[in-house]
Amino acid sequence: NAGVTQTPKFQVLKTGQSMTLQCAQDMNHNSMYWYRQDPGMGLRLIYYSASEGTTDKGEVPNGYNVSRLNKREFSLRLESAAPSQTSVYFCASRRTSGSKSYEQYFGPGTRLTVT
Amino acid sequence: AQTVTQSQPEMSVQEAETVTLSCTYDTSESDYYLFWYKQPPSRQMILVIRQEAYKQQNATENRFSVNFQKAAKSFSLKISDSQLGDAAMYFCAYRSPTGANSKLTFGKGITLSVRP
Repeated sequence: NAGVTQTPKFQVLKTGQSMTLQCAQDMNHNSMYWYRQDPGMGLRLIYYSASEGTTDKGEVPNGYNVSRLNKREFSLRLESAAPSQTSVYFCASRRTSGSKSYEQYFGPGTRLTVT
Repeated sequence: AQTVTQSQPEMSVQEAETVTLSCTYDTSESDYYLFWYKQPPSRQMILVIRQEAYKQQNATENRFSVNFQKAAKSFSLKISDSQLGDAAMYFCAYRSPTGANSKLTFGKGITLSVRP
């Protein structure tokens, strides 16, 4: 059981380049999330998808786009990378059904550097 | 909007001793969930413990326990018999009531070092 997987693990971009971070989960979870982690800032939500076919902005969405390709996959795109987007990016997923709150599972993270 | 505050950026504990990590939060909701996550140098986010606000009993997981004070909006983590493997960054997090749109709000984290 792989859980939540992310590719790539590391990436270096030049300012203005574009790229897509991939995330997939094999737990049949409804909701998926993208966070960024910066020193001293904790994890901040970029975008989330409550269910297949829906996406919503989180706390820091500017400069990013997302696609919920299917139930398993949720990608994050940087159209024109900026040095301020240098960060560690985490994908997460969670089962959301009924009244119970289920644990959120995280991927291993992608360290992105924009020069 | 909910906020989570971890005011201590760093703490240190002697191996085998007990340490308490502090967390406060602000919310107007009466039902919610609180979590402590551990992030070792590997970067992996690991759930340590969770607390449902409607439960008065403090959650416990082996050497980890919480002191949940709902009226004071305080949620501290106690680590007993500290081990070298406990050295990590710890994040406190809040989630509003259940539902597909409920999201985690994290504190800024605290770095815990364990002295041998």
